[in-house]
Amino acid sequence: EAGVTQSPTHLIKTRGQQVTLRCSPISGHTSVYWYQQALGLGLQFLLWYDEGEERNRGNFPPRFSGRQFPNYSSELNVNALELEDSALYLCASSLETGNEKLFFGSGTQLSVL
Amino acid sequence: KNEVEQSPQNLTAQEGEFITINCSYSVGISALHWLQQHPGGGIVSLFMLSSGKKKHGRLIATINIQEKHSSLHITASHPRDSAVYICAVRPIKAAGNKLTFGGGTRVLVKP
Repeated sequence: EAGVTQSPTHLIKTRGQQVTLRCSPISGHTSVYWYQQALGLGLQFLLWYDEGEERNRGNFPPRFSGRQFPNYSSELNVNALELEDSALYLCASSLETGNEKLFFGSGTQLSVL
Repeated sequence: KNEVEQSPQNLTAQEGEFITINCSYSVGISALHWLQQHPGGGIVSLFMLSSGKKKHGRLIATINIQEKHSSLHITASHPRDSAVYICAVRPIKAAGNKLTFGGGTRVLVKP
């Protein structure tokens, strides 16, 4: 069974550009979570999607957005990129909302120059 | 003060040694996760706890809800255990897996 897959694995952008990151959850998982791991800041919760809807978001500006498709895959969009957006973006999925074990993808390393 | 504190930040052990990583948190939680992150970034969920103790192979995780403290133990450590271990909590008021993460403990096991 395939795990959580993310694409691309690496990305280089310049300030002001827009980027889209993609995540495919484990088959049968309806919840998708996005986390940011910036150097020196540790992991931070970004967004949670379940059944196609945004359920919760972390303390990030509105230029971080996303969506979840009917097949439960998800996109994370970041507009007007800033240097501090350089980070590893991790996607995770789980069976249901709440206290369920998380399964992580390998992440997308975004560098903003 | 961070809501989730881990100690130590760095740990070096000789192969075969017993390793303990500690996690203290300041909020009421409904679950605590222990995660392992290898170089390259991939994260594996090791345990999810809400009470008591769990064991998987050479790994043992315990939690004391009253004391707001959890420990991850690695018995008979091996160089392949070298990784960053991250504690994450799900606050009671949080919905879904809106986790709050500790800063991680970098473990190096030397042969």
